[in-house]
Amino acid sequence: SQQGEEDPQALSIQEGENATMNCSYKTSINNLQWYRQNSGRGLVHLILIRSNEREKHSGRLRVTLDTSKKSSSLLITASRAADTASYFCAWSTFQGAQKLVFGQGTRLTINP
Amino acid sequence: DSGVTQTPKHLITATGQRVTLRCSPRSGDLSVYWYQQSLDQGLQFLIQYYNGEERAKGNILERFSAQQFPDLHSELNLSSLELGDSALYFCASEGPGTALNEQFFGPGTRLTVL
Repeated sequence: SQQGEEDPQALSIQEGENATMNCSYKTSINNLQWYRQNSGRGLVHLILIRSNEREKHSGRLRVTLDTSKKSSSLLITASRAADTASYFCAWSTFQGAQKLVFGQGTRLTINP
Repeated sequence: DSGVTQTPKHLITATGQRVTLRCSPRSGDLSVYWYQQSLDQGLQFLIQYYNGEERAKGNILERFSAQQFPDLHSELNLSSLELGDSALYFCASEGPGTALNEQFFGPGTRLTVL
């Protein structure tokens, strides 16, 4: 399959804990993006990391990228109930307008 | 709010019918992508338009077609609908000249085929 993998498929933690989701892909990439989706609704863009970057932060989000291992991780610190959603990684393979290939997603549940 | 709009939000129709989904990209964005999200296939790229011209095709069935109009809005036409076409259909837009492929998604159209 052209799509990569995300693990875990589902993650349930207590509010205040950190959540880590992993994404693996199969091709060389231009950049990798993370999206959030609340219960079958629209995709919200969270963060983009370029192929020449190793780590990026945005608020409580930290994304790492290891192109040698073809993997990325998304860390959400100090989780909140409102973080409950599905999280998808997606990547494009060269510069310019190009489709995104999506991982299968991680379903994150934050328990109050 | 991503700035991308899609109509309708929900669509319920019968097998064999034809429907049209509409997408308006963010102001100034020239690229429109269509994606399908289903339980078994996940998020799959269907087709891309750039400034009115088809740029790339993905896993789009022959029963499906799309176009982008001079005002840059796009329509996805689904015909001879089957039960398996039930899914969420998203469009995304992307700005001109960007090397980053940062795409902004609309809220989606949920299609139910009965």
